[in-house]
Amino acid sequence: DGGITQSPKYLFRKEGQNVTLSCEQNLNHDAMYWYRQDPGQGLRLIYYSQIVNDFQKGDIAEGYSVSREKKESFPLTVTSAQKNPTAFYLCASSIDRGAYGYTFGSGTRLTVV
Amino acid sequence: AQSVAQPEDQVNVAEGNPLTVKCTYSVSGNPYLFWYVQYPNRGLQFLLKYITGDNLVKGSYGFEAEFNKSQTSFHLKKPSALVSDSALYFCAVRDGGGGGNKLTFGTGTQLKVEL
Repeated sequence: DGGITQSPKYLFRKEGQNVTLSCEQNLNHDAMYWYRQDPGQGLRLIYYSQIVNDFQKGDIAEGYSVSREKKESFPLTVTSAQKNPTAFYLCASSIDRGAYGYTFGSGTRLTVV
Repeated sequence: AQSVAQPEDQVNVAEGNPLTVKCTYSVSGNPYLFWYVQYPNRGLQFLLKYITGDNLVKGSYGFEAEFNKSQTSFHLKKPSALVSDSALYFCAVRDGGGGGNKLTFGTGTQLKVEL
């Protein structure tokens, strides 16, 4: 079955440590997105990529980095510069044209310990 | 710029009663509108969308939404609520005249259906 897979489901980070969240899709979608979800704040866009080897900052990119070396993969690194990384992270993908919605992964919950 | 507002943080309704979750939007061109549902610790699931045509759109699990251009609204409705409908609901919009497919999401409305 086609879909979008995020791993791990739960992740714990120590202060000052970088961590990488995985997002893989086999839907042949052009575009991929990373969102951060905090209670009461909805979804906030971190980064998005419309094509391989290209990506753009979203509304809250500081302290995060991404790469898009393959169409299927869009990993997100939460760096030590992100001072409040505890949140639920959602990855999504879509066809980058027309009236298509997004397909979401099941999320990664990151906690600083 | 495009934006979407969900004015209610939470909606409470008794099982069997009709439910409405409100959404208003702002785009410069024609809107593409979406509703998603999220259960705890899960990703968002697509419910329905409006692109063009009939203003009443039917979607998954008995949900429907009514597009109202004059009021720039896209309220989610269901004639008879179920306890299992309790979840977080997101409205999203993109400008149909723009390039790409970047959606803007509302802040979400928590729906609680009680017995």
